Amino acid sequence: GQNIDQPTEMTATEGAIVQINCTYQTSGFNGLFWYQQHAGEAPTFLSYNVLDGLEEKGRFSSFLSRSKGYSYLLLKELQMKDSASYLCAPLTGGYQKVTFGTGTKLQVIP
Amino acid sequence: GAVVSQHPSRVICKSGTSVKIECRSLDFQATTMFWYRQFPKKSLMLMATSNEGSKATYEQGVEKDKFLINHASLTLSTLTVTSAHPEDSSFYICSARDRGLGGETQYFGPGTRLLVL
Repeated sequence: GQNIDQPTEMTATEGAIVQINCTYQTSGFNGLFWYQQHAGEAPTFLSYNVLDGLEEKGRFSSFLSRSKGYSYLLLKELQMKDSASYLCAPLTGGYQKVTFGTGTKLQVIP
Repeated sequence: GAVVSQHPSRVICKSGTSVKIECRSLDFQATTMFWYRQFPKKSLMLMATSNEGSKATYEQGVEKDKFLINHASLTLSTLTVTSAHPEDSSFYICSARDRGLGGETQYFGPGTRLLVL
């Protein structure tokens, strides 16, 4: 089976930096996706990490440690529109399935 | 960036009827597409993996005769909910894998809200 662990909710202030952590236990790990999902909408692709280390993409950065089964998403210069759920999703197995946990609901406050 | 479209965006149908949902990758070829379902405030649940030119692979507990998947081309996959019942009411989202020069990416369509009366 697979286990994905993220905080359920987080609150951060507009303009600040927030780090959303994710630990996972999977079999046949290939890489890890991060998605953003606003309420009532489909997920939007943010990043995909295969190798260990930090990948930066504008205000969003994602880090992966394969040996520790750990990843985080770093959001800088938070904006109100960043209020959403953030989904950590490992890509696993021969069929390369992406599976999701319940995600982290981030609320950005003024 | 790559775009995945889904049609229809919303559908209301009577119990017992069948509903077809289309998923298209608009500017890339997707040998693999995925169908997810999401209930309110719940996580996305993978229903099946759709492979172009072959049978879909269904997740445990998903009835293959009820949720018919066809991946007729590299840009189109369809999900048909047969003999729909109220408990099938949900948000259905397709996803397509792009293994382009930019690396591995998986994009989601905008989803289809199904309400079965």
